[in-house]
Amino acid sequence: GAGVSQSPSNKVTEKGKDVELRCDPISGHTALYWYRQRLGQGLEFLIYFQGNSAPDKSGLPSDRFSAERTGESVSTLTIQRTQQEDSAVYLCASRTGARSYGYTFGSGTRLTVV
Amino acid sequence: SQQGEEDPQALSIQEGENATMNCSYKTSINNLQWYRQNSGRGLVHLILIRSNEREKHSGRLRVTLDTSKKSSSLLITASRAADTASYFCATDQTGANNLFFGTGTRLTVIP
Repeated sequence: GAGVSQSPSNKVTEKGKDVELRCDPISGHTALYWYRQRLGQGLEFLIYFQGNSAPDKSGLPSDRFSAERTGESVSTLTIQRTQQEDSAVYLCASRTGARSYGYTFGSGTRLTVV
Repeated sequence: SQQGEEDPQALSIQEGENATMNCSYKTSINNLQWYRQNSGRGLVHLILIRSNEREKHSGRLRVTLDTSKKSSSLLITASRAADTASYFCATDQTGANNLFFGTGTRLTVIP
């Protein structure tokens, strides 16, 4: 597609429920990133996928968080047993393989845990 | 922390004035990038400067990089109301897979 697409745009869930967030990167972009941004704060790295290599999961805050990506296509970020501190905007970005290019971000999913 | 820090946290100027934002970081980098964010949603890539470059221009944007001081600045000339947004610096650090984003500068341009 023309840009990075994320769905849903907004999600309200009850504490303890599982949620799944989706990211559809730009076609041909081999690198895909998930970040979390709490209100008024900077971006917190969660996970990185590069082609068919093993993902870099070093930013995942707990084992309640997981993500998958099949090849160079769609990625899903799953949060199990959501907590109120999980409330944030979850941003996905993709990039070509070359590090000399910037990221293209999606519009994010605003997650509210009540 | 591996994150950069922007200064100031907030900046308010009149339309037509220049806006300068600064970024400091702590590690060795491959490049440094600036992004803009409107309304707390997706970020837009503005400009990338490599570690061996000292200055770069793009339209009304001018970025400088001083690797000896581990700092960068973003200058927006002849600001417009539409420039109102948060601006983030991000570092591509040696040995890391991801960009590290700073805390952002909230710019308000008053018409």
